[in-house]
Amino acid sequence: QKEVEQNSGPLSVPEGAIASLNCTYSDRGSQSFFWYRQYSGKSPELIMSIYSNGDKEDGRFTAQLNKASQYVSLLIRDSQPSDSATYLCAAYSGGYQKVTFGTGTKLQVIP
Amino acid sequence: DGGITQSPKYLFRKEGQNVTLSCEQNLNHDAMYWYRQDPGQGLRLIYYSQIVNDFQKGDIAEGYSVSREKKESFPLTVTSAQKNPTAFYLCASRPGPGDTEAFFGQGTRLTVV
Repeated sequence: QKEVEQNSGPLSVPEGAIASLNCTYSDRGSQSFFWYRQYSGKSPELIMSIYSNGDKEDGRFTAQLNKASQYVSLLIRDSQPSDSATYLCAAYSGGYQKVTFGTGTKLQVIP
Repeated sequence: DGGITQSPKYLFRKEGQNVTLSCEQNLNHDAMYWYRQDPGQGLRLIYYSQIVNDFQKGDIAEGYSVSREKKESFPLTVTSAQKNPTAFYLCASRPGPGDTEAFFGQGTRLTVV
């Protein structure tokens, strides 16, 4: 079992719709979670971070965390063609400070 | 400007050769990481270091080696033992313990010819 799992997609949504990206993790010791966006050939850039159960909103983005279910999600409202990218979920574990990434979900926003 | 610098951006290696990828940061971060990314894949952890002179193997360390002699530098050597080294390599750093994100360099694309 992979430590961080995501559906690889592609996930296709029409422009203006809500895109919902999901991630599960296996290490219950994971204490913080991050969503990165990566355009083809580029390095990942941080979109959202979340550390406690519940929702966290930043503009069009909302991250949701449920530690009991070991589940993290990212909602993108009013999706734009510029949101088309691969979205990577990452989990941070203390101790040796390991940061583990999922395989990423490719999002396509159709104009 | 503070940041993480990876060099070179593109690197070509002949089969059987060792090659070293550079990663330098001036963010005063304690923790540094190396990831490998294959086409259409996520990031797989090669090695990571939380402090100078200490590092741990990640999930795919075989065929790679690292050193952490200085806080700002974390070079990755791809050895001839790595059978399929062609990939996009990403270096990242974090301030240290706690809930902070990783910052990435621009990556090095390694191709074996």
